[in-house]
Parts: sequence; C-alpha cells; structure tokens
Amino acid sequence: KQEVTQIPAALSVPEGENLVLNCSFTDSAIYNLQWFRQDPGKGLTSLLLIQSSQREQTSGRLNASLDKSSGRSTLYIAASQPGDSATYLCAVLGNSGNTPLVFGKGTRLSVIA
Amino acid sequence: DAGITQSPRHKVTETGTPVTLRCHQTENHRYMYWYRQDPGHGLRLIHYSYGVKDTDKGEVSDGYSVSRSKTEDFLLTLESATSSQTSVYFCAISLEYTDTQYFGPGTRLTVL
Repeated sequence: KQEVTQIPAALSVPEGENLVLNCSFTDSAIYNLQWFRQDPGKGLTSLLLIQSSQREQTSGRLNASLDKSSGRSTLYIAASQPGDSATYLCAVLGNSGNTPLVFGKGTRLSVIA
Repeated sequence: DAGITQSPRHKVTETGTPVTLRCHQTENHRYMYWYRQDPGHGLRLIHYSYGVKDTDKGEVSDGYSVSRSKTEDFLLTLESATSSQTSVYFCAISLEYTDTQYFGPGTRLTVL
C-alpha cells in the first residue's frame, strides 16, 4: 500500500529565504506526483504536476523535482513571501488502473515578514 | 477552479439523520471524486466516479453512498450520519489526459 510522508510537518522561515519541502513515497510505481497548496479553511489549489517520466517542473518561484527510483520529491520555493504561508500537500497517483491519489499529511509553512 | 461548486458549504446535523452533499461541475469532466479531510489523517478517498452511473469505492467508503445520474453532478449520501463522519468533504475532478486533480471549496459537516 502506497504511503506518502512529508517532513517537516511545520516550518517557519523569515521572508526572502529559499526553502525546500520534502515528500517521500514508498512505492515507486507511480504515474505522476502533484503538489497542492491549501489555505486555512479553503480547498486545495494545484501547483505543479510531474509525470513519472519527468524530473522537474517549474512555475514562477516554484520548482518541483522528482526522483522516482528513490521515492522522493522536493518543492523548492524561491524568495519566500508572507503570501506563501499555507499548507503544502503532495500526492501520488499509482500507475495501476483505478488507483486513488494518495496524499501526504502536508507541511504547514509560515513565512514571517 | 475548474468550475467546481459544492453545496451546502456548511451543515450541522444530528446523529441518525440522512445527509446529501452535492458536487457540481460545469466542464463535462468524466472523473469525479469525494474525499474527506481530518486532522491527523489528511485527505482520504471515499468514492469516485468514472462516468454517469459508474462509481467505485475508495479507502473509507463505509457509511457512504454516491450517485451520478448526470455528468455534471456527483452526490455523496450519508444514510445515517454518525459523529465520526464530522469532517470537511472535498469534491474533485481530474483532467482526462494529465490526471491533474482540481478541488472544490469543500463542505464542513458537523454531526452532533
């Protein structure tokens, strides 16, 4: 059974810092990996999706990498801003038919002005 | 937001009463999902649908049923609500060619 772990559970950084959020998964047979952002009391916003054949994806100040063989992904946030404060979730989709998206429990990020 | 709405957004009900949550999408996506989110457990899949009248169970389906009679609507029913079903419920769709999932705003359900 696929398990997804995100470390740390919470992170507090000063504004302007570059930071890395980690995601690990136990079964490397994945179809894709997706990073989401969730603001308090809100739904999930899709940030980046990496297909299993890709190594990284970039969107603005965000860069997500994938090392499928080692079961790891990282989300790099450059020049962090207070508006980046949120919970970041990663989720993996297995490559067998009808497998569900499996989520980590998230990293709660606080960027202090 | 992929045109996903959920109703109601908040609901308080009593143990033993039936509850139906609605997810509505405007873009004819084939795949739709219901998740619940709980502290310490994260997001867990309840049921999903891969077309009209085609549904299947997820990880935590006990006590829940679903129906999809139209492409745009996916209903989640708690036949007899229990306090353990107090949660935030999210509906999602996935894009058919990339499998990217997009989520609705959520329904906060409290069962007293």
